[in-house]
Amino acid sequence: DGGITQSPKYLFRKEGQNVTLSCEQNLNHDAMYWYRQDPGQGLRLIYYSQIVNDFQKGDIAEGYSVSREKKESFPLTVTSAQKNPTAFYLCASSIATDRGETQYFGPGTRLLVL
Amino acid sequence: AQSVAQPEDQVNVAEGNPLTVKCTYSVSGNPYLFWYVQYPNRGLQFLLKYITGDNLVKGSYGFEAEFNKSQTSFHLKKPSALVSDSALYFCAVGAPNSGYALNFGKGTSLLVTP
Repeated sequence: DGGITQSPKYLFRKEGQNVTLSCEQNLNHDAMYWYRQDPGQGLRLIYYSQIVNDFQKGDIAEGYSVSREKKESFPLTVTSAQKNPTAFYLCASSIATDRGETQYFGPGTRLLVL
Repeated sequence: AQSVAQPEDQVNVAEGNPLTVKCTYSVSGNPYLFWYVQYPNRGLQFLLKYITGDNLVKGSYGFEAEFNKSQTSFHLKKPSALVSDSALYFCAVGAPNSGYALNFGKGTSLLVTP
């Protein structure tokens, strides 16, 4: 988990509310990723960013939004359009997005719906 | 399209015995293969990866994995299991022509009993 921080550890969302999950890295990595983990389903890619001010949708981007204004930061907003947001959210970073670079993960944020 | 399969939801092994966690993959071209471990409510920790070269890859905590191109497998192994190895293990695959994408398996829960 070293070098990548996620906050908060637990987050509660009310109906119709947008919430933002924080992800910061001090590894000087260009690429950053957001995954969603549900029991028995492995990890599914939500969004990724190869460079500042650029990001791409992953497999399950609907109901989520991101920004990449700084190299170190890649916040994820779970919007009210995401009807089933309860999950464990993992942020990762890598030097680049290709050449088999290793992705390093943060400790995760667990999102629960009230 | 690329994919990875972990055929066992759970593997049970006695402490001191060898362990194997299975992974098979499907990809166009030469694969990049990764193993990660996850402890409860934590992020994923990188164990090892295969990019090219020697088919036997050694990683952290005494784990190793063997790349077998003919069987499209990348099984994780350890000669002598520890109780502390009990965790959730994920295999992931990428490819040079897939850019960012790492596809993760659904995970295998390893339980090592004293």
